[in-house]
Amino acid sequence: ETGVTQSPTHLIKTRGQQVTLRCSSQSGHNTVSWYQQALGQGPQFIFQYYREEENGRGNFPPRFSGLQFPNYSSELNVNALELDDSALYLCASSLRLAYSEQYFGPGTRLTVT
Amino acid sequence: GQQVMQIPQYQHVQEGEDFTTYCNSSTTLSNIQWYKQRPGGHPVFLIQLVKSGEVKKQKRLTFQFGEAKKNSSLHITATQTTDVGTYFCALFGNEKLTFGTGTRLTIIP
Repeated sequence: ETGVTQSPTHLIKTRGQQVTLRCSSQSGHNTVSWYQQALGQGPQFIFQYYREEENGRGNFPPRFSGLQFPNYSSELNVNALELDDSALYLCASSLRLAYSEQYFGPGTRLTVT
Repeated sequence: GQQVMQIPQYQHVQEGEDFTTYCNSSTTLSNIQWYKQRPGGHPVFLIQLVKSGEVKKQKRLTFQFGEAKKNSSLHITATQTTDVGTYFCALFGNEKLTFGTGTRLTIIP
């Protein structure tokens, strides 16, 4: 086990609603990244937070936003949910190094109906 | 941005047979990481390669980084049912991991 936890495990939302997903990073890690994994696909990078600041962003619209707290835990917020947002949302914690292995949490399975 | 292609997409093998997945890029890669994701699970880090021609072994798993640093491979010797899952190569750069398309391995007992 990596020590990275995510909540909730599963979530069902309606199109147009908003959702907040939570992640607690592994002890000692100062960086949290969020990924979206659609069924049968590889994870796609959403964004990364380091010292409470967004430190990089993938090709996701502004309705995907996040926060990192002083204890390095993090939230992913998605507004105006669309059907295509249905996916497994993974957070990964790491140290901010040149090449850093990522420790993934178990994920939150979001279904948008 | 840099992209990595992975082949094959699917591989079905008899238990005990060997398995190999390949990761290819058109550009020189600074590093390659390999992850395994069990069905219903999350990606788990296996190894990182950074040097040209690097070879690393973990029990039955052998990882290689090409001399030109444009390709990498993962070879499993004598597969077991516990090897089932999807194997991803991933490039770490610009603060993010870019995953390959993955190879899904199924084992026929």
